[in-house]
Amino acid sequence: KAGVTQTPRYLIKTRGQQVTLSCSPISGHRSVSWYQQTPGQGLQFLFEYFSETQRNKGNFPGRFSGRQFSNSRSEMNVSTLELGDSALYLCASSPRQGVAYGYTFGSGTRLTVV
Amino acid sequence: DQQVKQNSPSLSVQEGRISILNCDYTNSMFDYFLWYKKYPAEGPTFLISISSIKDKNEDGRFTVFLNKSAKHLSLHIVPSQPGDSAVYFCAASARNNDMRFGAGTRLTVKP
Repeated sequence: KAGVTQTPRYLIKTRGQQVTLSCSPISGHRSVSWYQQTPGQGLQFLFEYFSETQRNKGNFPGRFSGRQFSNSRSEMNVSTLELGDSALYLCASSPRQGVAYGYTFGSGTRLTVV
Repeated sequence: DQQVKQNSPSLSVQEGRISILNCDYTNSMFDYFLWYKKYPAEGPTFLISISSIKDKNEDGRFTVFLNKSAKHLSLHIVPSQPGDSAVYFCAASARNNDMRFGAGTRLTVKP
């Protein structure tokens, strides 16, 4: 079966702009989580969605937001981009809410802010 | 706040020898621990996990040890192979909620 699909793979944006990233989970998976990976910081949790509702949120400013649609696809939006937002953004899906059910990661979207 | 720490950014071992990757955590509510492996340009892939009710879990060449009193876990790879060269992330979860990751350790296995 198809894995977790993230689009686009690469993105270059200018400071002050906004960006939307997309994640299509594995068919049947209802939970989607987003992570930011930067050198030296590892993966930092952004938020988790389950059944179109945000269930958990990490320690990121309000410029970072997300949503989940009825088909479980999820989007993440970052407004007023800053240079420090340059990172690899990873999406992970799970059959149900919670890590014990197993997370499968996508290949990520590499965002560069110039 | 870094609740999960991997203090060694890199590790280099010879093929056939043991690789030991370490991870420390601060949150005593963590009850489930995982290791992920990541190759460049790919997302992390699950390797092995352990529940806080156990102190050891083994899967082939990979063994994870958990020391709850020290809030420490380690991943042992025996024998190490060149294909194991990747970045390894330690992760922890409290009550089946989201995962918190360490910064990763880059393992290089030399032929």
